[in-house]
Amino acid sequence: EAGVAQSPRYKIIEKRQSVAFWCNPISGHATLYWYQQILGQGPKLLIQFQNNGVVDDSQLPKDRFSAERLKGVDSTLKIQPAKLEDSAVYLCASSLGPNTEAFFGQGTRLTVV
Amino acid sequence: QQQVKQSPQSLIVQKGGIPIINCAYENTAFDYFPWYQQFPGKGPALLIAIRPDVSEKKEGRFTISFNKSAKQFSLHIMDSQPGDSATYFCAAARGGSQGNLIFGKGTKLSVKP
Repeated sequence: EAGVAQSPRYKIIEKRQSVAFWCNPISGHATLYWYQQILGQGPKLLIQFQNNGVVDDSQLPKDRFSAERLKGVDSTLKIQPAKLEDSAVYLCASSLGPNTEAFFGQGTRLTVV
Repeated sequence: QQQVKQSPQSLIVQKGGIPIINCAYENTAFDYFPWYQQFPGKGPALLIAIRPDVSEKKEGRFTISFNKSAKQFSLHIMDSQPGDSATYFCAAARGGSQGNLIFGKGTKLSVKP
């Protein structure tokens, strides 16, 4: 079974530029999560989707971050404009439902210079 | 406020030793306590998890001990191997969720041959 696919694997941008990350969850998984993992820290949840609806975006910096899952399958996370402190690994995870095990992708490493 | 506190930050043991990683939590509403293992360049992977109605759970060489009254739980790795060298994260969730997680800061484990 294919795992959670994320692209790109690495991205370097200048501050104030915009960037987008893409996630394709495991087939059939209705729940999708985006996490931010700053170097040396544990992942922090940014947003949780159930199908194409947002369940929890309480920790998403909405002035610069946005995410969508229009058809309830793949998802994109966008940052506009990026700040230096956004440098992190952005992890996507998916699960069959909110009360089942979440599987993580390999992440996208973002460096803002 | 850090809701899940993990210690130590790093740990070095000899092959065959029993590393112990500890976590403490604040919110008594948490009802799911997983441990994740993360290798460099990879996403976290679920290792073992426990719910608060159980005081201990074993899966292979990995054991979770849970102390509800003290609001603490720990991971023990029996007969540790160099391949266990990784970063370990404890986490917590509530409301039956297994993917909407609050992570600790992580423990970098190194098992020397």
